Amino acid sequence: GEDVEQSLFLSVREGDSSVINCTYTDSSSTYLYWYKQEPGAGLQLLTYIFSNMDMKQDQRLTVLLNKKDKHLSLRIADTQTGDSAIYFCAETPQDSSYKLIFGSGTRLLVRP
Amino acid sequence: DADVTQTPRNRITKTGKRIMLECSQTKGHDRMYWYRQDPGLGLRLIYYSFDVKDINKGEISDGYSVSRQAQAKFSLSLESAIPNQTALYFCATSSAATYEQYFGPGTRLTVT
Repeated sequence: GEDVEQSLFLSVREGDSSVINCTYTDSSSTYLYWYKQEPGAGLQLLTYIFSNMDMKQDQRLTVLLNKKDKHLSLRIADTQTGDSAIYFCAETPQDSSYKLIFGSGTRLLVRP
Repeated sequence: DADVTQTPRNRITKTGKRIMLECSQTKGHDRMYWYRQDPGLGLRLIYYSFDVKDINKGEISDGYSVSRQAQAKFSLSLESAIPNQTALYFCATSSAATYEQYFGPGTRLTVT
């Protein structure tokens, strides 16, 4: 079955890099996503990567995809206190154009 | 103005009561979704609709019903609320052309 797993918590110091990791089981995933949820708000799409890509960079964000190990990571450079939030990894299975399978979320705490 | 709005934002109700959560969108998307988020868990899909006449059950539809009143409106009903339906509920929309889903701010529902 489809499953997405993430560690629950990460704490970093302001200015350091953060790396949030995710593993998934569906080797036929088409797209993989990172969503950010701030307190009291809905989920905001941060970035996504198509399954035939290894890396995608967007300003301070770098997404790495290792299809062999079914591992996805999100690196945030120069982490700021405003980056404190819950980050969700999600995937779209190949047999579905609408379905999103979410991980349980990683809470990122940025210490001043 | 927000593209996806949900009302109410917070609701406390008693066991056995009927309650409706509403979602409206101005993005012009055909597809709309209802998700539920529980602490420490990712989002789980309750119902989805590809257009006004196409409504489908998600992975956890028991105890819920939906109505797609118009392209822009999708409501979720709990016919007889029970305490384990206490959760954060999110509405989302997407177009058929992309995989991206856009989320509303959520409704926090407490059933006592």
